[in-house]
Amino acid sequence: GAVVSQHPSRVICKSGTSVKIECRSLDFQATTMFWYRQFPKQSLMLMATSNEGSKATYEQGVEKDKFLINHASLTLSTLTVTSAHPEDSSFYICSARTVETEAFFGQGTRLTVV
Amino acid sequence: QKEVEQDPGPLSVPEGAIVSLNCTYSNSAFQYFMWYRQYSRKGPELLMYTYSSGNKEDGRFTAQVDKSSKYISLFIRDSQPSDSATYLCAITTDSWGKLQFGAGTQVVVTP
Repeated sequence: GAVVSQHPSRVICKSGTSVKIECRSLDFQATTMFWYRQFPKQSLMLMATSNEGSKATYEQGVEKDKFLINHASLTLSTLTVTSAHPEDSSFYICSARTVETEAFFGQGTRLTVV
Repeated sequence: QKEVEQDPGPLSVPEGAIVSLNCTYSNSAFQYFMWYRQYSRKGPELLMYTYSSGNKEDGRFTAQVDKSSKYISLFIRDSQPSDSATYLCAITTDSWGKLQFGAGTQVVVTP
């Protein structure tokens, strides 16, 4: 299957700082990328959907000013957690798809805010 | 009420046994049904994708969908220790659109 790469795989940051997570589709052009958050022993919760070149669509309850999503090209989307706090500590996962294919998931990024 | 309900387990079975997993959902508008496998600290990988009611087989995996009961199942035959993972059901109203995930069931296959 197609490869979606997330970077970094884990990051620790201080409270109040911002963290950027990258999601790249390595061997296909992704028209749509999705960002999820997963707390321990819980399911994946969709945060936002982004289409290349347009603003992301955020799910209800997700602060768009806190979780900035940029989908500048067909192979790259970024999620920036601004002014991170300990409650933002979670596993963040992206997925990418084309119009015709399934959504392929990245390996996830474990964010710890201390 | 959650849109997708899934027992989080853990479900422990001996090697060679059949693993039986299931989810229920509430919205009849959901038309596409998937099962994902997720190893610890990794992203999910797609195992099965079905659209219609009935059975679909792929090797040791069988997915069942009963739209009338809003109930989906995944069976793993001849389970192996390498099958130990969390299995998540996912459903969507449009093909490969926004996925609603179940909580995931942790499966442990003991040698």
